[in-house]
Amino acid sequence: SQTIHQWPATLVQPVGSPLSLECTVEGTSNPNLYWYRQAAGRGLQLLFYSVGIGQISSEVPQNLSASRPQDRQFILSSKKLLLSDSGFYLCASPGEGQGYGTQYFGPGTRLLVL
Amino acid sequence: AQSVTQPDIHITVSEGASLELRCNYSYGATPYLFWYVQSPGQGLQLLLKYFSGDTLVQGIKGFEAEFKRSQSSFNLRKPSVHWSDAAEYFCAVGARTDKLIFGTGTRLQVFP
Repeated sequence: SQTIHQWPATLVQPVGSPLSLECTVEGTSNPNLYWYRQAAGRGLQLLFYSVGIGQISSEVPQNLSASRPQDRQFILSSKKLLLSDSGFYLCASPGEGQGYGTQYFGPGTRLLVL
Repeated sequence: AQSVTQPDIHITVSEGASLELRCNYSYGATPYLFWYVQSPGQGLQLLLKYFSGDTLVQGIKGFEAEFKRSQSSFNLRKPSVHWSDAAEYFCAVGARTDKLIFGTGTRLQVFP
């Protein structure tokens, strides 16, 4: 089965600073990859998904961007963080042969923007 | 519009008591339905899923859920809760894609 790693685990950043969160996947090749944000009381919101290198789809307009420089690497970035970017960011990938919607999630990155 | 509603933000039960977490969905097509669990500070883990067939599905950790099309519901149940079940539970709906719509979650607290 696949394993999803996220780095860093926790991050405190000032407003206006840049951001780079990393997600890497082991145990599978050419996976679909997803970035979710979990804000207090709002469940999980899908931010971006990628079906391959250099292919990114954005689900909601926002201050963030995503990139996929390698097959098993997915980066979430921002040039200037806003207070509203605070939250818990989760990377996910479908389980191979598990059927639609069966997602494996990484451990998450908790971001606090001050 | 497609949506998932979990009406209970926070539920508290005693260890050994039964549990039911509610989930209602709005979806234009035949839905695929999921329950995920999130332990504090962790990612999500799939508990169970419904695609088709028997409307009562069994999952891991002794959980089950029942799909009721007439009520647009997919409630999660467990006959006897353990302290280790304390977590946040998310209901999600999807279709023949990997993209899911999640509810806002229900936080379960278990008292000894």
